[in-house]
Amino acid sequence: GNSVTQMEGPVTLSEEAFLTINCTYTATGYPSLFWYVQYPGEGLQLLLKATKADDKGSNKGFEATYRKETTSFHLEKGSVQVSDSAVYFCALSDHNTNAGKSTFGDGTTLTVKP
Amino acid sequence: DAGVIQSPRHEVTEMGQEVTLRCKPISGHNSLFWYRQTMMRGLELLIYFNNNVPIDDSGMPEDRFSAKMPNASFSTLKIQPSEPRDSAVYFCASSLLAGGQTDTQYFGPGTRLTVL
Repeated sequence: GNSVTQMEGPVTLSEEAFLTINCTYTATGYPSLFWYVQYPGEGLQLLLKATKADDKGSNKGFEATYRKETTSFHLEKGSVQVSDSAVYFCALSDHNTNAGKSTFGDGTTLTVKP
Repeated sequence: DAGVIQSPRHEVTEMGQEVTLRCKPISGHNSLFWYRQTMMRGLELLIYFNNNVPIDDSGMPEDRFSAKMPNASFSTLKIQPSEPRDSAVYFCASSLLAGGQTDTQYFGPGTRLTVL
């Protein structure tokens, strides 16, 4: 079956530090890949996505590249801010599985200190 | 667009009582998902619907939980009877299923349930 493995947290960084959160996946077929972010007290919201190999998703200074050869979709940001403190979820959707069902990673908690 | 709407936002009830959570998906979306989130177990998919039909309810914890989607704009998740271990944040999400693949899921703000 499909699975998503992401870097265990929590991750604590100082403001303006470089961020990497690793995500690898297992899937049959050609999944779409997502990063969602959850701010305290809120639901998850899409941060970025990529639908095919070598695509780069980007938003709010965050980037992730769909790497089919390494089955990875690592999240990066060059300079984090305190406002980036949140839980980040890597996810995939794959039409070969139960149509419509996405698979989520366990989430990585990021805390950015001033 | 109002986004996914959930009610109530907070619910406090006593063990043994019936609890009903409500969700209004984004208009035009044809998939709806119910999740539960706790510190111990993380984010769990309980059940999801395509075109109002339940597709996979393997995540529903036990017979005390039931979900319905009578039409494209409304769904309920019911717990009867409720137990303290059901305390969690329950999220509803909707998406547009096209070509057999789910696109972005849009989450509601959640219902924080506390069972005393």
